[in-house]
Amino acid sequence: DTAVSQTPKYLVTQMGNDKSIKCEQNLGHDTMYWYKQDSKKFLKIMFSYNNKELIINETVPNRFSPKSPDKAHLNLHINSLELGDSAVYFCASSQVTWGGVQETQYFGPGTRLLVL
Amino acid sequence: AQKVTQAQTEISVVEKEDVTLDCVYETRDTTYYLFWYKQPPSGELVFLIRRNSFDEQNEISGRYSWNFQKSTSSFNFTITASQVVDSAVYFCALSAEYGGATNKLIFGTGTLLAVQP
Repeated sequence: DTAVSQTPKYLVTQMGNDKSIKCEQNLGHDTMYWYKQDSKKFLKIMFSYNNKELIINETVPNRFSPKSPDKAHLNLHINSLELGDSAVYFCASSQVTWGGVQETQYFGPGTRLLVL
Repeated sequence: AQKVTQAQTEISVVEKEDVTLDCVYETRDTTYYLFWYKQPPSGELVFLIRRNSFDEQNEISGRYSWNFQKSTSSFNFTITASQVVDSAVYFCALSAEYGGATNKLIFGTGTLLAVQP
């Protein structure tokens, strides 16, 4: 059983297009995340949602819009794709963080986005 | 500011050698968590260990061991008797409580470990 899944695994598209990546987790977690891994393998958080509420938005261009229809799903929609958006996008989930206890984040397999 | 430094960009060893991956972190928080993740050539991110700032006991899991030293702000990872399957990029990460019900991982730049047969 896949814990955190993402679709599609690969996405090749032209500059200017709009695309979406979907993420689902079956771990019963309340918190979900999007991270971006660039060509140098550097990983950086983009967004975090807790129970469908946006908590973290890390200076990401507003062409990127996350949406959480329920706590098991977190989608990422990207408008007007640019060459610099080419990267691997990882979804993750964790138990809710309370009282200083910071839970482990479990990652999906990643979506490799290539903008031509 | 919070930061994680993995000074070793690439390490190459021969199978059965022991290898240590270094991780140095910076934080002003008194409570924090440290993690190691493995990213094999297939690309997924695999969780290896989570350690909180109050637990400085070393941990061993099979061929893997971790040495956490608050005095030097280090959380090093040793693989004993390395195998070809250990070839991967290894990331050290610091968890920063963001406030509310979430936290964010601040990753180091990763160390590429190549184990030669």
